[in-house]
Amino acid sequence: AQKITQTQPGMFVQEKEAVTLDCTYDTSDPSYGLFWYKQPSSGEMIFLIYQGSYDQQNATEGRYSLNFQKARKSANLVISASQLGDSAMYFCAMREGFGNSGYALNFGKGTSLLVTP
Amino acid sequence: GAGVSQSPRYKVAKRGQDVALRCDPISGHVSLFWYQQALGQGPEFLTYFQNEAQLDKSGLPSDRFFAERPEGSVSTLKIQRTQQEDSAVYLCASSFFTSGSGNSYNEQFFGPGTRLTVL
Repeated sequence: AQKITQTQPGMFVQEKEAVTLDCTYDTSDPSYGLFWYKQPSSGEMIFLIYQGSYDQQNATEGRYSLNFQKARKSANLVISASQLGDSAMYFCAMREGFGNSGYALNFGKGTSLLVTP
Repeated sequence: GAGVSQSPRYKVAKRGQDVALRCDPISGHVSLFWYQQALGQGPEFLTYFQNEAQLDKSGLPSDRFFAERPEGSVSTLKIQRTQQEDSAVYLCASSFFTSGSGNSYNEQFFGPGTRLTVL
């Protein structure tokens, strides 16, 4: 079963507007971490933001914020004031567990974001 | 400091050929991961090293895939008798903490990947 679901294959947003990229996850482990990565056409995965399952507040990093709704098992990425350089693939990922079993990241299929002038 | 580097960046192999992909992690990083990313998909976990020990190889798709990290730094992913379904981008990532550090954050830093095309 897919642990990370990203339902939006592609998204468009106009420059300077905000955009939300959806991510839902599936786990029975109470301890987990959620990550968002950006992958431009160059191929490198760039870490954007992290949310731990026990974190009380939504994570924020500059123009990126994570809308964490634990009961709904969703972790949507919000990008404010979009820039042309934000055009890329965006991946949601999860790591389950804090112990020895928790290391590999499970990735979704990604959302392609295109920012238009 | 330097990030994670991978070589070659691009590799074209004829079906049946053996290939070796190299990963240089960030200096001092204990954990090293290999992922396979097929076209249009997210990365999928292949294997994990803690220093020189390969603690998990459950994601390796077949016994044609072999990974090593003999001195706990540079790692090599070897694919024997390549097949067309092996065509993908192979990503290497490293992190400072070990898996059992109690740190769920434990950010993984990714390299640029090696794009393997098997003809």
